[in-house]
Amino acid sequence: RKEVEQDPGPFNVPEGATVAFNCTYSNSASQSFFWYRQDCRKEPKLLMSVYSSGNEDGRFTAQLNRASQYISLLIRDSKLSDSATYLCVVNVGSGGYQKVTFGIGTKLQVIP
Amino acid sequence: DTGVSQNPRHKITKRGQNVTFRCDPISEHNRLYWYRQTLGQGPEFLTYFQNEAQLEKSRLLSDRFSAERPKGSFSTLEIQRTEQGDSAMYLCASSLTSGGLYNEQFFGPGTRLTVL
Repeated sequence: RKEVEQDPGPFNVPEGATVAFNCTYSNSASQSFFWYRQDCRKEPKLLMSVYSSGNEDGRFTAQLNRASQYISLLIRDSKLSDSATYLCVVNVGSGGYQKVTFGIGTKLQVIP
Repeated sequence: DTGVSQNPRHKITKRGQNVTFRCDPISEHNRLYWYRQTLGQGPEFLTYFQNEAQLEKSRLLSDRFSAERPKGSFSTLEIQRTEQGDSAMYLCASSLTSGGLYNEQFFGPGTRLTVL
């Protein structure tokens, strides 16, 4: 089983739609979780951290389910500019040791 | 521009040649990471440094790969005897880590390596 699994998509959604992505992780010791966004042929950029209590940033909502070992990203009112690949990131460890694992990414295409 | 920079941006080399990439992190960042990314995949962790100490290396980092961060500032990644399978985007990221917590990694634009 992969350490971090994502559906690669693509998810093709019309403008204004709501879309959700899930990401599962295998290591129960994972401590911190993130969503990064990567545009075509560009470097990844942090979209948002994922907190245990869930968090929201405008049209984006991230949630963590430790019992089932998955995180989710919900995008409401999709914009054309949301078209990108969304990378799930899981971090194990703290202090001197860290292991950062990226998922394969989920490609989102918002259609006019 | 005070972001992470990488040089060169593109490198084409023949199989068997050695290549070296450079990464200049954001100046106050103490952690520096190297990743490799191929088409349709997420970034794969290669190694990271805390200041000048290399703390972790992935098993993906064969003995042909070596990374240094001699003064805790810029870093170099060298690949010896390149193989066609080394063709990928090599990404560098840096972060300011304190209290043992994970902090946001800022990525550079990457070096795209093509091995012919």
